[in-house]
Amino acid sequence: DVKVTQSSRYLVKRTGEKVFLECVQDMDHENMFWYRQDPGLGLRLIYFSYDVKMKEKGDIPEGYSVSREKKERFSLILESASTNQTSMYLCASSGGRWSISRYTFGSGTRLTVV
Amino acid sequence: AQTVTQSQPEMSVQEAETVTLSCTYDTSESDYYLFWYKQPPSRQMILVIRQEAYKQQNATENRFSVNFQKAAKSFSLKISDSQLGDAAMYFCAYRSYNQGGKLIFGQGTELSVKP
Repeated sequence: DVKVTQSSRYLVKRTGEKVFLECVQDMDHENMFWYRQDPGLGLRLIYFSYDVKMKEKGDIPEGYSVSREKKERFSLILESASTNQTSMYLCASSGGRWSISRYTFGSGTRLTVV
Repeated sequence: AQTVTQSQPEMSVQEAETVTLSCTYDTSESDYYLFWYKQPPSRQMILVIRQEAYKQQNATENRFSVNFQKAAKSFSLKISDSQLGDAAMYFCAYRSYNQGGKLIFGQGTELSVKP
């Protein structure tokens, strides 16, 4: 069964820490995405990538960066975690940029910044 | 920019009854896709149904069907014969035809099913 795996289900970090959220997919998908999910706001796109070493800003990139050194791995980086980054983070992948292939989501990482 | 709005934060339905979740969207594009996703407590996002904007026929998947009104920019989800397992957060989402794979989500509707 195809999978998108997020390294942690729950994470607690301190304010100011550098935080890495890892996402790995085994479907050879070109596209990978990071979303943030908050109650009443739905899912909002942080960053996405259409290919290795490529990245594009989504709707709320401030305070985040990403890395995609290998096709299967897409990392979200919180350079200096703040309490307003406490949220659920969802990774997703899909096929070619112009294809309508199905999105596959990870199970999410619930991050708490204290 | 495209937006998706779900105006019902919470909905409730009796088991075996029918419920309709609302979604409206705003876009200047003529070609796009619309989706309904289900997110149960396990957090796993599950695709419920998909609609291509160029198709006039409303999509159906077993007990799930949509009412797609392109002119009104409305995309509601009808769940028939509701089951306890339908209880979840439901998200409406939009995808542009020519802007790659980005999904734009609504705020979500939490559906509870009463036995």
